[in-house]
Amino acid sequence: KNQVEQSPQSLIILEGKNCTLQCNYTVSPFSNLRWYKQDTGRGPVSLTIMTFSENTKSNGRYTATLDADTKQSSLHITASQLSDSASYICVVSLYGGSQGNLIFGKGTKLSVKP
Amino acid sequence: DGGITQSPKYLFRKEGQNVTLSCEQNLNHDAMYWYRQDPGQGLRLIYYSQIVNDFQKGDIAEGYSVSREKKESFPLTVTSAQKNPTAFYLCASSIVSAGGSGELFFGEGSRLTVL
Repeated sequence: KNQVEQSPQSLIILEGKNCTLQCNYTVSPFSNLRWYKQDTGRGPVSLTIMTFSENTKSNGRYTATLDADTKQSSLHITASQLSDSASYICVVSLYGGSQGNLIFGKGTKLSVKP
Repeated sequence: DGGITQSPKYLFRKEGQNVTLSCEQNLNHDAMYWYRQDPGQGLRLIYYSQIVNDFQKGDIAEGYSVSREKKESFPLTVTSAQKNPTAFYLCASSIVSAGGSGELFFGEGSRLTVL
């Protein structure tokens, strides 16, 4: 069964600290993996995309990694800011599938405290 | 500015009433989607459309209907047959990619509450 599991479910950190969010997937055939940021009451926004051949990709203070062998991805946030408080959603796309073949994780809710 | 516009942002409905949520995009994307989001759950696909006048059921299509008469528009009707319609509804669009779905661009969402 195609699944995406994210951990932790929620996380509280102090402003300025780093954190790492995890995403494990059992999706096949794999096309790509995206991380989205969703502010409360808003629509998600794409942060990064990882394809099979990519190990690391950065977007400002956000760095995503992908290990295609172990089917794991992580999102590392450096020097957190209050505006990083949001839910982070991992989404895996099936290769060759229809446009509707996206597998969503349940998200990690991050709270950054001053 | 290019993007996706959903309306209304908040909607209250009495039981037994149908309601239609609007979704318009000016990104020139061929594919459009409707998702439902409930607390503690991942996004679930209701319907999607890859081309005008064609659409496909997602995982939870029962009690919902859609139309795609124009490339820019993909309205969702929540019918009285939907047993638990209170939720946050998200519309999205993307290019059509042969290798898998392209990046989703989401609207700001519509929160439906059934009284």
